[in-house]
Amino acid sequence: SQTIHQWPATLVQPVGSPLSLECTVEGTSNPNLYWYRQAAGRGLQLLFYSIGIGQISSEVPQNLSASRPQDRQFILSSKKLLLSDSGFYLCAWSVDSSFYGYTFGSGTRLTVV
Amino acid sequence: DQQVKQNSPSLSVQEGRISILNCDYTNSMFDYFLWYKKYPAEGPTFLISISSIKDKNEDGRFTVFLNKSAKHLSLHIVPSQPGDSAVYFCAAAGEGKLVFGAGTILRVKS
Repeated sequence: SQTIHQWPATLVQPVGSPLSLECTVEGTSNPNLYWYRQAAGRGLQLLFYSIGIGQISSEVPQNLSASRPQDRQFILSSKKLLLSDSGFYLCAWSVDSSFYGYTFGSGTRLTVV
Repeated sequence: DQQVKQNSPSLSVQEGRISILNCDYTNSMFDYFLWYKKYPAEGPTFLISISSIKDKNEDGRFTVFLNKSAKHLSLHIVPSQPGDSAVYFCAAAGEGKLVFGAGTILRVKS
């Protein structure tokens, strides 16, 4: 069966520090991978998506970046965090371009102080 | 520009009664709609979906209705149970993207 792992679960980082959140998927190959953010009082905002190794599409301009160094690994990074980067970050995967039942990870609560 | 809107931030319902969560969308290119349920500190989980060629889809206590002319969909939960208390996200798919609404917090009181 397919599983998705996301870590860490919670993170408190000072303003200006770097960020690296990792997401891995098991039990499938060539998944579509996504990073979403849920800011306080707001919906899920798509940040990045990837349809293959090294292929990253950005949906929202920001100081975050994403990379896909391996087929089932998706990394969200920042060189210098801002206060506005605080939120709940979710990784998700889907089969090809099907939207039927995205599977989400358990999320990372990031607080920038 | 919010393409998917859930105008009610929260809803409180008595156990055993019907819960109705509403969602409106603006992009007529959306052709598939989904509802996700999310508990605190967890990722959303898929609940139920509907294709634009249908106007109703039922799965146990959960029914989703789609009104394409009004660009409106709703999720009905009957009967509501305390375990249904969660955040419900409406999502719309089309043009290669899945767009989520802001979510509605449902509280089912026992």
